[in-house]
Amino acid sequence: DQQVKQNSPSLSVQEGRISILNCDYTNSMFDYFLWYKKYPAEGPTFLISISSIKDKNEDGRFTVFLNKSAKHLSLHIVPSQPGDSAVYFCAASSKNSGTYKYIFGTGTRLKVLA
Amino acid sequence: GAGVSQSPSNKVTEKGKDVELRCDPISGHTALYWYRQSLGQGLEFLIYFQGNSAPDKSGLPSDRFSAERTGGSVSTLTIQRTQQEDSAVYLCASSLIPDFNYGYTFGSGTRLTVV
Repeated sequence: DQQVKQNSPSLSVQEGRISILNCDYTNSMFDYFLWYKKYPAEGPTFLISISSIKDKNEDGRFTVFLNKSAKHLSLHIVPSQPGDSAVYFCAASSKNSGTYKYIFGTGTRLKVLA
Repeated sequence: GAGVSQSPSNKVTEKGKDVELRCDPISGHTALYWYRQSLGQGLEFLIYFQGNSAPDKSGLPSDRFSAERTGGSVSTLTIQRTQQEDSAVYLCASSLIPDFNYGYTFGSGTRLTVV
């Protein structure tokens, strides 16, 4: 049972345009969400987080939007750069779960075309 | 150290053998996590340490898997009697304290291949 879903395995975007990566979750108890970026042969790198008390969090070119009613979050990258080409994972957790583990999606491979 | 260090980076083992994977977290980080990523899958949680104790080991797939952490630092993940389905990239991560708002720092992983 996949509690965190990234339904698009891949996405291609032109340099300078917006990249939108989507993530859906099924567990309404999730209240913390993270996005990670992963390059080949490296570990994932933390990008940005959001908690359920907010619907938007911004950090430079990266913005995460959370729609709790739809159980959906998205990561916007503006403008996209070739160095953004990587696999992006969303992850979710629940503060009331008694643990600090995150449930990860299967990732979306972003390719930014120069 | 500057980052999370994992060794070996690659391990090929025969089915039925035992393997040990090592993780050196960032100095001072009290929380340590093990995940694995099988081909085409997301990251799968295995176990979480706070100091030397493991409050959550719910992700360990079977009793062939065990992990320990000593001195609040180095952790070892041991897989006994390896099976082909154990083939995956095993990732270790650490954080200064457990905190939902900040991600962990991951190591580069150990790619385990069971033949």
